[in-house]
Amino acid sequence: DAGVTQSPTHLIKTRGQQVTLRCSPKSGHDTVSWYQQALGQGPQFIFQYYEEEERQRGNFPDRFSGHQFPNYSSELNVNALLLGDSALYLCASSRTGSGGYTFGSGTRLTVV
Amino acid sequence: DAKTTQPTSMDCAEGRAANLPCNHSTISGNEYVYWYRQIHSQGPQYIIHGLKNNETNEMASLIITEDRKSSTLILPHATLRDTAVYYCIVRVGHGQNFVFGPGTRLSVLP
Repeated sequence: DAGVTQSPTHLIKTRGQQVTLRCSPKSGHDTVSWYQQALGQGPQFIFQYYEEEERQRGNFPDRFSGHQFPNYSSELNVNALLLGDSALYLCASSRTGSGGYTFGSGTRLTVV
Repeated sequence: DAKTTQPTSMDCAEGRAANLPCNHSTISGNEYVYWYRQIHSQGPQYIIHGLKNNETNEMASLIITEDRKSSTLILPHATLRDTAVYYCIVRVGHGQNFVFGPGTRLSVLP
């Protein structure tokens, strides 16, 4: 049983560019959440998607947007990249009504 | 902001029990206590969660005080592979997102 799959694992982008990160949730899960983790800090909540809609959002600018597809997979898009967007981006999935999240291994984004 | 307070770091000898404390003095009656850990450069891994009763699974035990203002995660026989950052999180129900603090960096020493 595959867990949460994220792609790509590593990515280098130039300041000002746009990036799309992808996430396939664990089988049976219908909710996807995205987190940003800067070096040495705990993960920070970006937003959560359920039934193809953004259900909750953390304190992140509109440059961060997302999408959830009918098969529950999700994308995180970041526009106009800043150096400060360099981080590990984590996707977590869960099943509605259950407690825990299953996290993927993340995408390491470096903005130069 | 995270609603929990944890020590920044702890050491534990291999084979001994690791006891990781967490303070959550403002916890509400309907908030659960969750523990996750993150091994270097990997995603957080679920360990255990509880509401008010003590819980045990194959990984760890969770001891919650009667007033629910603090809890302790116990790894009964720590191994080198338990070296990680451990996060204690309180969360209402099943839909709310997790708010991570900086966690406790546990180093298991040979």
